[in-house]
Amino acid sequence: DAGITQSPRYKITETGRQVTLMCHQTWSHSYMFWYRQDLGHGLRLIYYSAAADITDKGEVPDGYVVSRSKTENFPLTLESATRSQTSVYFCASSGLTRVEPQHFGDGTRLSIL
Amino acid sequence: TQLLEQSPQFLSIQEGENLTVYCNSSSVFSSLQWYRQEPGEGPVLLVTVVTGGEVKKLKRLTFQFGDARKDSSLHITAAQPGDTGLYLCAGADQTGANNLFFGTGTRLTVIP
Repeated sequence: DAGITQSPRYKITETGRQVTLMCHQTWSHSYMFWYRQDLGHGLRLIYYSAAADITDKGEVPDGYVVSRSKTENFPLTLESATRSQTSVYFCASSGLTRVEPQHFGDGTRLSIL
Repeated sequence: TQLLEQSPQFLSIQEGENLTVYCNSSSVFSSLQWYRQEPGEGPVLLVTVVTGGEVKKLKRLTFQFGDARKDSSLHITAAQPGDTGLYLCAGADQTGANNLFFGTGTRLTVIP
């Protein structure tokens, strides 16, 4: 089925480890986004991408790295995980602009011990 | 950062009651989106309002965009347990920077 898929759904790791969260979409949408969702903060944009090989920082990019070698994939890497990065991470996509309605994956719940 | 404040933060009501949730900002938006998020899932778009003063109805849900395009409201008539979830508003920046800003959400629980 068409859609946006995130993996893994749940991940527990330790501080200092590298973690990669995967995101795959089948709509061929131009834009893809990574958000984190925390109580009291709502959805905060980490990074976004307008097309393959084009990425840009969002509101809270520190400690995260992204890449987009193919239109359909947009992985998010925590190079050295910290406890403050414990959160629920959502990937989203939209067709032509950053402000179009976004289609979200079901999230990855990441716990860093 | 353009702050979008949603109120109330939490709302618990009985099935059959009516309710209104609010999304307010000091900034003007070119459009505003409403999403609903259920536990363990990502947000799903309910509606987009574009014109100041616009009212859109989706079954028992009525959405209104303020005349000045700074605020919006969502009214639910005769709430049902299936309406339970986190309601998020998101405003589209009108300055040309093309940012979408999400509010912090209203968590609604409808008790059978």
